[in-house]
Amino acid sequence: GDSVTQMEGPVTLSEEAFLTINCTYTATGYPSLFWYVQYPGEGLQLLLKATKADDKGSNKGFEATYRKETTSFHLEKGSVQVSDSAVYFCALSDPYNQGGKLIFGQGTELSVKP
Amino acid sequence: KAGVTQTPRYLIKTRGQQVTLSCSPISGHRSVSWYQQTPGQGLQFLFEYFSETQRNKGNFPGRFSGRQFSNSRSEMNVSTLELGDSALYLCASSYTGTSGRAGANVLTFGAGSRLTVL
Repeated sequence: GDSVTQMEGPVTLSEEAFLTINCTYTATGYPSLFWYVQYPGEGLQLLLKATKADDKGSNKGFEATYRKETTSFHLEKGSVQVSDSAVYFCALSDPYNQGGKLIFGQGTELSVKP
Repeated sequence: KAGVTQTPRYLIKTRGQQVTLSCSPISGHRSVSWYQQTPGQGLQFLFEYFSETQRNKGNFPGRFSGRQFSNSRSEMNVSTLELGDSALYLCASSYTGTSGRAGANVLTFGAGSRLTVL
């Protein structure tokens, strides 16, 4: 079945460091790919998405490119801030499955120190 | 516009009891999905309702059930609670229009209901 694998955390960085969180997936067809972020005590918020190969999603300085050839969707940010400390989830949705079923990775906790 | 509202935010139950959680989606959204989040299993899909009908279902026992009302509000119920049911239960809504690429609908999540089973 479809699955998502993320790099394990926690990841600890200093402010203004470069961030990469790896995400690879297994799926039939061409899934849509998402990054969600969860701040402490809150639900998930959509960070960015990409719906077809070579699409680049971007938001708030974060970027991820849909790489069909490597089945990857790595999250990057050039300069992290303390406020970016959160748990990040990579997810996919089956293009043949309408609506609200997402398959999530296990999440990567990011801690940014001043 | 108002976001996805889940109630209650926190609750404590004992083994064997049952619990009902409520979710009010964003106005105009017709799809409501439920997820269970635990430290060990991560985020797992429970089920999705669209226009009062269950459209997708995850791999959970029959103790977990849900329904959706004509105003798109949804409830999920867990009967005969077990210790392992302790989790954060997240509800998400989406529009799921009839056009556009299926699967690309963006989910908007609520803050969750944290259930503790003693």
